[in-house]
Amino acid sequence: GEDVEQSLFLSVREGDSSVINCTYTDSSSTYLYWYKQEPGAGLQLLTYIFSNMDMKQDQRLTVLLNKKDKHLSLRIADTQTGDSAIYFCAESIKGGGNKLTFGTGTQLKVEL
Amino acid sequence: DGGITQSPKYLFRKEGQNVTLSCEQNLNHDAMYWYRQDPGQGLRLIYYSQIVNDFQKGDIAEGYSVSREKKESFPLTVTSAQKNPTAFYLCASSIELAGGGDTQYFGPGTRLTVL
Repeated sequence: GEDVEQSLFLSVREGDSSVINCTYTDSSSTYLYWYKQEPGAGLQLLTYIFSNMDMKQDQRLTVLLNKKDKHLSLRIADTQTGDSAIYFCAESIKGGGNKLTFGTGTQLKVEL
Repeated sequence: DGGITQSPKYLFRKEGQNVTLSCEQNLNHDAMYWYRQDPGQGLRLIYYSQIVNDFQKGDIAEGYSVSREKKESFPLTVTSAQKNPTAFYLCASSIELAGGGDTQYFGPGTRLTVL
């Protein structure tokens, strides 16, 4: 079945790196996504990774995928106060069209 | 300026009333989706539509209805049968619903409160 889990909270100091983790259970995942949600707003796509990749880097963002352990992580380098938001991972399943299963979201708080 | 718009941003409803949430996109996307977000929970899929005049139930369709008469529009009606409608509602669209990998783009959301 489909189940995506994330820790609820993460607090980091400005300038440090943040690592947000996600685990999923369906080995048929094709694409895995990271979305960012600021207070009272919709979701903004940050990045995505195809399931046959191990890593993807995009400026300050690095996505790591461990398919064996079904573990996905998002690393934000040099975290800024503007990065404070809720981060959702999501998976799409092979044969499931483009329906996404979302995690519960991780609230990232960046402190000065 | 392409994107997805939702209106209204805030909506208040009395118990027993039906209300309709608007979602419009000018991205020429085939697929559209409605999600519900509750505090501390991920997004849950209510309905989705692959193409005009076609739509499918998601995981929590009870108490909701949709229509897809135009490619650009996918309104969601929250009926009086929905027992706990207070939530944040998000609309999304993607190029096509096939094979995965087609990124979903989200609107700004509508916060519905039942008084």
